[in-house]
Amino acid sequence: DQQVKQNSPSLSVQEGRISILNCDYTNSMFDYFLWYKKYPAEGPTFLISISSIKDKNEDGRFTVFLNKSAKHLSLHIVPSQPGDSAVYFCAASSGGTNAGKSTFGDGTTLTVKP
Amino acid sequence: DTAVSQTPKYLVTQMGNDKSIKCEQNLGHDTMYWYKQDSKKFLKIMFSYNNKELIINETVPNRFSPKSPDKAHLNLHINSLELGDSAVYFCASSQDYTGTEAFFGQGTRLTVV
Repeated sequence: DQQVKQNSPSLSVQEGRISILNCDYTNSMFDYFLWYKKYPAEGPTFLISISSIKDKNEDGRFTVFLNKSAKHLSLHIVPSQPGDSAVYFCAASSGGTNAGKSTFGDGTTLTVKP
Repeated sequence: DTAVSQTPKYLVTQMGNDKSIKCEQNLGHDTMYWYKQDSKKFLKIMFSYNNKELIINETVPNRFSPKSPDKAHLNLHINSLELGDSAVYFCASSQDYTGTEAFFGQGTRLTVV
């Protein structure tokens, strides 16, 4: 049962344009969402997060949007840079006894072309 | 200064062997994790410790045993290794167990032959 899905395995964009990575979830108990970025042969690195009480969180070039009714979140990167080329994972967690147990999607490989 | 370090980075071993992966964090975090990334690239949590106490134990074979001698260390011992154990294992830590962002180690690629 895959509770967090990233339906696009890969995305290619031109440098300077917007990258939009999508993530869907099924568990309505999830209340905290995170995006991680991963380069080859390295561990994931935290990028940005959003709590379910918000619908948008922005940090520099990165913005995460949350649509709770649709159980959908997206990561916008603008402008995209070649250094953004990596695998992006979205993750979700819930409170209570499951707090800290992040469920990850299977990743989207972003390629930003110069 | 590496925040979360795990050793070894690569591990090739034969079926049936017992091996350990070590993890240390110097961030002063209370919570540490082991994740497994399988061939389909899914990252799945295996264990979580908070201040040396086990708080998350997913459905993992008993051959996998985590050990946390102190809150800065979380080692993973695997007995009787099987071909299906081949994966990349990531150690991570977070400030607490409430699901905030985790800091990951570089991963240990385990290959069982």
